[in-house]
Amino acid sequence: EAQVTQNPRYLITVTGKKLTVTCSQNMNHEYMSWYRQDPGLGLRQIYYSMNVEVTDKGDVPEGYKVSRKEKRNFPLILESPSPNQTSLYFCASSVGYLKNTEAFFGQGTRLTVV
Amino acid sequence: SQQGEEDPQALSIQEGENATMNCSYKTSINNLQWYRQNSGRGLVHLILIRSNEREKHSGRLRVTLDTSKKSSSLLITASRAADTASYFCATLNFGNEKLTFGTGTRLTIIP
Repeated sequence: EAQVTQNPRYLITVTGKKLTVTCSQNMNHEYMSWYRQDPGLGLRQIYYSMNVEVTDKGDVPEGYKVSRKEKRNFPLILESPSPNQTSLYFCASSVGYLKNTEAFFGQGTRLTVV
Repeated sequence: SQQGEEDPQALSIQEGENATMNCSYKTSINNLQWYRQNSGRGLVHLILIRSNEREKHSGRLRVTLDTSKKSSSLLITASRAADTASYFCATLNFGNEKLTFGTGTRLTIIP
């Protein structure tokens, strides 16, 4: 089944403790991205990657890191999480350039930083 | 920055009625997409309309795009309880590969 898989689905952590949210897609997609969703603000893009070893900042990259060493994986790293990073996070992928293609989303990771 | 702004923010209708949601955006776009999100879950793509298209249909969905007014509408006909969800428009702007989402319309279908 074609899908984008995020782990974990739920995570509670403490301020400053490094964490990684994994994202994997099995559709051989070139383009992958991370979003955060907050009430009243919709989805905002954190980082995106057009291909292996190619990443770029989205609208809200501060406090996050990403890497794209393999085509299928695009982990999101929070080196020193803070409470304002409490949010619902989504990973998405698409075939290639987004111009005429849809994005496929993972089921989300609900992160709470205390 | 938010590109798409949906209207209304919330909508409740009786099952069987039609639901219309609107999306306005600010800059020139390559295409506009609509997504559905069931409570707290991932977004599911519904339909994509290119900037040179004016109307598109998919099952009970009808999307229109008016580039002169920088607006789009999503019509769901003969609504069902399973249509209860949040609906988001997303625009792909010229010059970048980033989908920019609006804040969504929360649709509730009353059985």
